[in-house]
Amino acid sequence: DTAVSQTPKYLVTQMGNDKSIKCEQNLGHDTMYWYKQDSKKFLKIMFSYNNKELIINETVPNRFSPKSPDKAHLNLHINSLELGDSAVYFCASSLAVSTDTQYFGPGTRLTVL
Amino acid sequence: RKEVEQDPGPFNVPEGATVAFNCTYSNSASQSFFWYRQDCRKEPKLLMSVYSSGNEDGRFTAQLNRASQYISLLIRDSKLSDSATYLCVVNRANDMRFGAGTRLTVKP
Repeated sequence: DTAVSQTPKYLVTQMGNDKSIKCEQNLGHDTMYWYKQDSKKFLKIMFSYNNKELIINETVPNRFSPKSPDKAHLNLHINSLELGDSAVYFCASSLAVSTDTQYFGPGTRLTVL
Repeated sequence: RKEVEQDPGPFNVPEGATVAFNCTYSNSASQSFFWYRQDCRKEPKLLMSVYSSGNEDGRFTAQLNRASQYISLLIRDSKLSDSATYLCVVNRANDMRFGAGTRLTVKP
């Protein structure tokens, strides 16, 4: 019955590798997001998709590429991982673009060695 | 200046205490406001929305002052289970901005 799920929960990898994080929501929401929470616990939006279309793309390196195959999924692919990419990445969804409540996934803890 | 600024914390209070958190935001075009709660190593979860008229949910009271661009959260009769980080969140143009959070520890 998980509303927003992410895989994997933990990801440990070497610098320079390419990795993906998957996100799925079963809430029937139109909008999905990716956030990064760094070691100082500051949560920052990276991307926002509405009905599979990108609506917000914050200043993130182009090594990060989101992909939304359908409304229920928003995956995050990261190329050439760097040490500074180590963080917890949260996926979230909301009913519509202008709505209020966002529901977060459990997070993916990425460690780049 | 950060878009959303919160009390630095941490707040360490005894059970039963009343504690208040403050938050200021810089963009006057902000449209909606929230408090989220985040437990250690968990995802943020909505605690309550914040309305101009102020709103209350049990022991929690949220206030918004648009003129001063200020949001507050009051917790009465603190419980051990209230220990968490409280995130002030401001939404403008469908773009949610989170404060860095204020850590609360309620002690027996």
